Amino acid sequence: GQQVMQIPQYQHVQEGEDFTTYCNSSTTLSNIQWYKQRPGGHPVFLIQLVKSGEVKKQKRLTFQFGEAKKNSSLHITATQTTDVGTYFCAGSNYKLTFGKGTLLTVNP
Amino acid sequence: DAGVTQSPTHLIKTRGQQVTLRCSPKSGHDTVSWYQQALGQGPQFIFQYYEEEERQRGNFPDRFSGHQFPNYSSELNVNALLLGDSALYLCASSFEVNYGYTFGSGTRLTVV
Repeated sequence: GQQVMQIPQYQHVQEGEDFTTYCNSSTTLSNIQWYKQRPGGHPVFLIQLVKSGEVKKQKRLTFQFGEAKKNSSLHITATQTTDVGTYFCAGSNYKLTFGKGTLLTVNP
Repeated sequence: DAGVTQSPTHLIKTRGQQVTLRCSPKSGHDTVSWYQQALGQGPQFIFQYYEEEERQRGNFPDRFSGHQFPNYSSELNVNALLLGDSALYLCASSFEVNYGYTFGSGTRLTVV
């Protein structure tokens, strides 16, 4: 079945540093979605990427979808303490399959 | 406000018992998916309901069953509970399958 892998599993940064998490799927995806889950919270939808090579930005967050539609990345510029949480990618082929997530901690 | 309502928020059950979790989707959403999330893990797909039919199913045993009602609300039933069923159960709704999901706050199930 479809598998979605994410690296790294954990990332600790100093406030102001950049952060990137990578996502790879075992199969070609119709789209990929990114979610953020704060500690003790539930996943919150951030964005969906549909087109091959697509790049989308949300303020300090940049999302990319690979040309083969099998990989994606999320880059945060100049992290802030409010960015703390686990970032999940989720590949969609009728059902949404989540990666294990990257836990981001930020030292103020 | 997540828009998706789940009940109860917490539940403690004994091994072998049965449990029913409930979910009301966000207004305008017609698809409901259920996920199991163990501590420190990503959500694992259980199944998805659309038009009152189970459309997709993950790798969960038949002890896990569900239902969707005409008003799009949904239930997740788990029979013969095992200790390993202890987890956060998340309900997510969407408008059709290929749009972003809205998650509820989840039901924390503890099996003792």
